[in-house]
Amino acid sequence: DTEVTQTPKHLVMGMTNKKSLKCEQHMGHRAMYWYKQKAKKPPELMFVYSYEKLSINESVPSRFSPECPNSSLLNLHLHALQPEDSALYLCASSLSGTSGPGRLETQYFGPGTRLLVL
Amino acid sequence: GIQVEQSPPDLILQEGANSTLRCNFSDSVNNLQWFHQNPWGQLINLFYIPSGTKQNGRLSATTVATERYSLLYISSSQTTDSGVYFCAVPRTLGNEKLTFGTGTRLTIIP
Repeated sequence: DTEVTQTPKHLVMGMTNKKSLKCEQHMGHRAMYWYKQKAKKPPELMFVYSYEKLSINESVPSRFSPECPNSSLLNLHLHALQPEDSALYLCASSLSGTSGPGRLETQYFGPGTRLLVL
Repeated sequence: GIQVEQSPPDLILQEGANSTLRCNFSDSVNNLQWFHQNPWGQLINLFYIPSGTKQNGRLSATTVATERYSLLYISSSQTTDSGVYFCAVPRTLGNEKLTFGTGTRLTIIP
């Protein structure tokens, strides 16, 4: 099973709302990722969790708050977003997230959540 | 950081045609992936190919790491091949941060 699931598929929220995006995988992967993708642009990395610990934060504004409750789940809590935060949010997972020279990892992506901030 | 450029940016082909998509990267890599993003946004792994050639059905990929490029070949295109094709490489050797290329938008016309 190489499936990463994300909910919800679509989300519309106001700038004062609080919402959460959810990602789940059951491949036994220990690294999980959040990416943001604007229209007609490639995905951009936001956060990396490795063994349930936040290992990379790409200077993302604090209105985005990631959480990894266990090795299968990844959440992204949203609060006080701006219209420019509207995008496709993609979750991915890989075996360990600690690849080194000679160690090769593939990232598997979920279908994404399309977020519109009004 | 590493720069990843893809060409062409857009490609429109008739069903049944063949195509070659190119990915150039600015530094040495030990990991290169090709993805297809379908019109609904799903990123699908096509190949993990840091070097050499791999084939999967109508698709094949070749990476020449010493010359810092990779090619994706699509033969006998079908409308379901439409979407955006991305290559992605680690930001630095062995790094889990993927840098995505600029993408090639492929449209297959029936």
